[in-house]
Amino acid sequence: NAGVMQNPRHLVRRRGQEARLRCSPMKGHSHVYWYRQLPEEGLKFMVYLQKENIIDESGMPKERFSAEFPKEGPSILRIQQVVRGDSAAYFCASSPPFWTGDLNYGYTFGSGTRLTVV
Amino acid sequence: KQEVTQIPAALSVPEGENLVLNCSFTDSAIYNLQWFRQDPGKGLTSLLLIQSSQREQTSGRLNASLDKSSGRSTLYIAASQPGDSATYLCAVRPGLTGGGNKLTFGTGTQLKVEL
Repeated sequence: NAGVMQNPRHLVRRRGQEARLRCSPMKGHSHVYWYRQLPEEGLKFMVYLQKENIIDESGMPKERFSAEFPKEGPSILRIQQVVRGDSAAYFCASSPPFWTGDLNYGYTFGSGTRLTVV
Repeated sequence: KQEVTQIPAALSVPEGENLVLNCSFTDSAIYNLQWFRQDPGKGLTSLLLIQSSQREQTSGRLNASLDKSSGRSTLYIAASQPGDSATYLCAVRPGLTGGGNKLTFGTGTQLKVEL
């Protein structure tokens, strides 16, 4: 089991460019979450997705940020027209569905993508 | 709105010492609480998960307790080693009727175990 795979590990973008962050959940996990960790701050929830559906995007900035989890392929977090304040570590996590009866129902996190905007 | 606080923010101890990390949360209506470890520049590694109906969980030298009614959890590390040096994060997951899929994280305790 390869765990949650995120790529790239490091991403450098100039102001105004687009950043695309990818996340492949653990095998058997159909729920994906994105969190952002700003320098010197804790992890903040951004968005929760299931296949082809955004369930909760209450933590997403209103503009420039979008997320998807298509039927096939990884989940994508897209940041358009990046600014220096977007520099952060972006973590993806996955979990199994509620109905699997997995009492632990813990989250498994990926290693993150560190975005630097120059 | 759930708020999670971790005390102390940083801790430095000599090798071999037993230590306790604290986590408190404002809303006791949680589904579970999870302790993570984060090494510099790395991702999060899950250490222990405690369901809301449980009082404690143990794994090796780690023991986590949960007092839901008072909104507190502790992570006890026995016989600390330099390899334990990392940032320790606690995160609470709300109940199913409270937006049950968003973890709220504390800001962490940065632990350094010295030789």
